[in-house]
Amino acid sequence: KAGVTQTPRYLIKTRGQQVTLSCSPISGHRSVSWYQQTPGQGLQFLFEYFSETQRNKGNFPGRFSGRQFSNSRSEMNVSTLELGDSALYLCASSLGRSGGTDTQYFGPGTRLTVL
Amino acid sequence: KQEVTQIPAALSVPEGENLVLNCSFTDSAIYNLQWFRQDPGKGLTSLLLIQSSQREQTSGRLNASLDKSSGRSTLYIAASQPGDSATYLCAVKGGSNYKLTFGKGTLLTVNP
Repeated sequence: KAGVTQTPRYLIKTRGQQVTLSCSPISGHRSVSWYQQTPGQGLQFLFEYFSETQRNKGNFPGRFSGRQFSNSRSEMNVSTLELGDSALYLCASSLGRSGGTDTQYFGPGTRLTVL
Repeated sequence: KQEVTQIPAALSVPEGENLVLNCSFTDSAIYNLQWFRQDPGKGLTSLLLIQSSQREQTSGRLNASLDKSSGRSTLYIAASQPGDSATYLCAVKGGSNYKLTFGKGTLLTVNP
């Protein structure tokens, strides 16, 4: 079974631009979660999508948004980029069963650099 | 608010040594606890997942334990190898949503 894939792997943008990152989950997985990883803050939860609906959201400004398509693929968008948005963005997929018992499987990440 | 702490932040050991990594969490109302490995610049690889009803899980040279009441977990690595060098992250899942709350990680270096 193919793992979680993320595209692109690397991105360089300038302040004020916007960016879209893509995540394809493991086949059969319906839940996709996004995380931001920075040296100072570590890994922080952005949001989770399940069956095309945002099920959970972390404490990030509205510039960070996402969506999920009917095939469970997910995109994350960041508008009006700031220098502090430079980070590794990780996506994780799981079956999404209730009760929180699922294992989450992570993709390789997208490294975003904002200049 | 759940907080996860990992001690030590960094650890350097000679090859062949057995070692223990520690993880503590403040809210014992968790669904499960997961240990991950992260190589530099890469994503996370899931090592072990312990459900809240379990006490330990084993995979090869790795053994993870969970004491939910005291808010602690340990990852035991037997007979360490240079290929084990990586950052090890502990994460707990709990609360009203299913997000993972991560510790800052332990950077492990195994010297040949």
